[in-house]
Amino acid sequence: DVVLTQTPVAQPVTLGDQASISCRSSQSLVHSNGNTYLEWYLQKPGQSPQLLIYKVSNRFSGVPDRFIGSGSGSDFTLKISRVEPEDLGVYYCFQATHDPYTFGAGTKLELK
Amino acid sequence: QVQLKESGPGLVQPSQTLSLTCTVSGFSLTSYHVSWVRQPPGKGLEWMGVIWTGGSTAYNSLLKSRLSISRDISKSQVFLKMNSLQTEDTATYYCARDYYSGPGYWGQGVMVTVSS
Repeated sequence: DVVLTQTPVAQPVTLGDQASISCRSSQSLVHSNGNTYLEWYLQKPGQSPQLLIYKVSNRFSGVPDRFIGSGSGSDFTLKISRVEPEDLGVYYCFQATHDPYTFGAGTKLELK
Repeated sequence: QVQLKESGPGLVQPSQTLSLTCTVSGFSLTSYHVSWVRQPPGKGLEWMGVIWTGGSTAYNSLLKSRLSISRDISKSQVFLKMNSLQTEDTATYYCARDYYSGPGYWGQGVMVTVSS
């Protein structure tokens, strides 16, 4: 199975700063059809996860443009510019290229 | 609009079978996949399995021997059955509809406790 390794485990931030989360895969996430199915989710306390980014860099409906996904192959990054209070929570990367699908272990974005 | 709602027992005894229902609205099960994802208290997300538009399924390798996902298209319902439950299966269970590939629209989740 594909293992997704997220770093850091926790990211202390000051509001207004930029945050960056890495997700590395144990194998390439390029599908045989040429697409790369790497997604990012945010789970706020007490809520269901919410999709932020799909296919590496595409923002889901309503997601602010301060969320930027990038990367290729097996190395991906989520950047959040100008962190706001509603951005705090746990971020997960997820791959839907290889069966079975898998989540990363999560990165907690928290205030310094 | 797209909605999913999980339902099922809040408490299951060890060694018993868990049965959950995901009732959906706003889309057809023949047009979108539905996945099940769970989250033990204080821990991360675990993808459990998916039922695709054609009715075929795929499962997490570690759960495959205990897990079954099925559906009733006419009732817009997806079912999860998992047998031989243990305390480590205590979790919030979510169903979710795909958006391009992985889960895009999520239910509110249902908490299941495995305890005697």
